[in-house]
Amino acid sequence: SAVISQKPSRDICQRGTSLTIQCQVDSQVTMMFWYRQQPGQSLTLIATANQGSEATYESGFVIDKFPISRPNLTFSTLTVSNMSPEDSSIYLCSVDPGTGELFFGEGSRLTVL
Amino acid sequence: QKEVEQNSGPLSVPEGAIASLNCTYSDRVSQSFFWYRQYSGKSPELIMSIYSNGDKEDGRFTAQLNKASQYVSLLIRDSQPSDSATYLCAVNRGSNYKLTFGKGTLLTVNP
Repeated sequence: SAVISQKPSRDICQRGTSLTIQCQVDSQVTMMFWYRQQPGQSLTLIATANQGSEATYESGFVIDKFPISRPNLTFSTLTVSNMSPEDSSIYLCSVDPGTGELFFGEGSRLTVL
Repeated sequence: QKEVEQNSGPLSVPEGAIASLNCTYSDRVSQSFFWYRQYSGKSPELIMSIYSNGDKEDGRFTAQLNKASQYVSLLIRDSQPSDSATYLCAVNRGSNYKLTFGKGTLLTVNP
């Protein structure tokens, strides 16, 4: 497996502001993934973050709303822009360390007022 | 039809019993199947992966896969109160590492 650290673990934000979530992995990984888990729901993939190229977004998610950076093989950030209460969710960073299995960080619980 | 379906539960079993969690998927080309456990307020934790038809056992957990029926299950033997959690079924439809998750089944093990 891999040790995945996310910051912040939780935050309360005001409508219209932006928040950047950081994800740090203890080993180099080719692909990192960002998921969202809305209250009472399952996980939905937002985008795949590839080092050295633009992130690949899933249907319903756009770069202007969820810009992603991947400056190296151990780090990524997800920004939630111009937040509204509908963005209140848990945001999860995940990686495949080369085993074909996906491991998750502790998650960032975001509440938008 | 939803891509990955699970009974939402709650599934309640007494301590020591066998808990049976079921999952069906719609895409016949799915290749990899995973079970995650998620405690309330925590992130998902991988407990089992299975790739070929049949059973795979790991301690008290057994995953069962039937690709012809597009069905995967998780059996938990000798259930403990600490097994109380939501269990998520996830399916990889190809080699691109993208997992599709079911909504999860809430399991409660009663002492």
